[in-house]
Amino acid sequence: QKEVEQNSGPLSVPEGAIASLNCTYSDRVSQSFFWYRQYSGKSPELIMSIYSNGDKEDGRFTAQLNKASQYVSLLIRDSQPSDSATYLCAVKTGGTSYGKLTFGQGTILTVHP
Amino acid sequence: DAEITQSPRHKITETGRQVTLACHQTWNHNNMFWYRQDLGHGLRLIHYSYGVHDTNKGEVSDGYSVSRSNTEDLPLTLESAASSQTSVYFCASSERLQGGLADTQYFGPGTRLTVL
Repeated sequence: QKEVEQNSGPLSVPEGAIASLNCTYSDRVSQSFFWYRQYSGKSPELIMSIYSNGDKEDGRFTAQLNKASQYVSLLIRDSQPSDSATYLCAVKTGGTSYGKLTFGQGTILTVHP
Repeated sequence: DAEITQSPRHKITETGRQVTLACHQTWNHNNMFWYRQDLGHGLRLIHYSYGVHDTNKGEVSDGYSVSRSNTEDLPLTLESAASSQTSVYFCASSERLQGGLADTQYFGPGTRLTVL
């Protein structure tokens, strides 16, 4: 089992819909979780970080963390064509390696007009 | 504004040559990381450093080396380039947090390396 797994894409949603991106992780002691967005040919950029169970909202984006079930999700409301990108889930796994992240393979999202 | 830069942005080299990719950050971050990104594999960690003179191997470190002589720079060296090392390379940096938490990693623009 991979340490961090994302739902296999690609994911296609119509403009204005809710896009739901999911990520599961295997290390129960993981404490830090991140969602990055990567446009084609560009570097990853942070959308959201989440450290505690529950929801965290930032504009049209909501990150949800459930440590008991070991999953983290990202909801994008009112999806726009400009949201079309690859979304990467990243998790801090392990105990003492306080900076190291493990990335999922990414989910390609396409928002069509 | 603080930033993280990589050079060169594109590089073509031949098998067997030594290649060094530069990474420079002005965030004054303690942590620095090198990743490679290939289709179907996502981001894979090559080497990382938690401070000056500290270096650690990641999951795909064979054939690569790094050294950290100051806070700002973490150059990545391919000792003898191989075609399997054709990839896009990203450098990232982050601050150190307490309590076992990880801070956001900020990425450089990437270097596209082709080994012929």
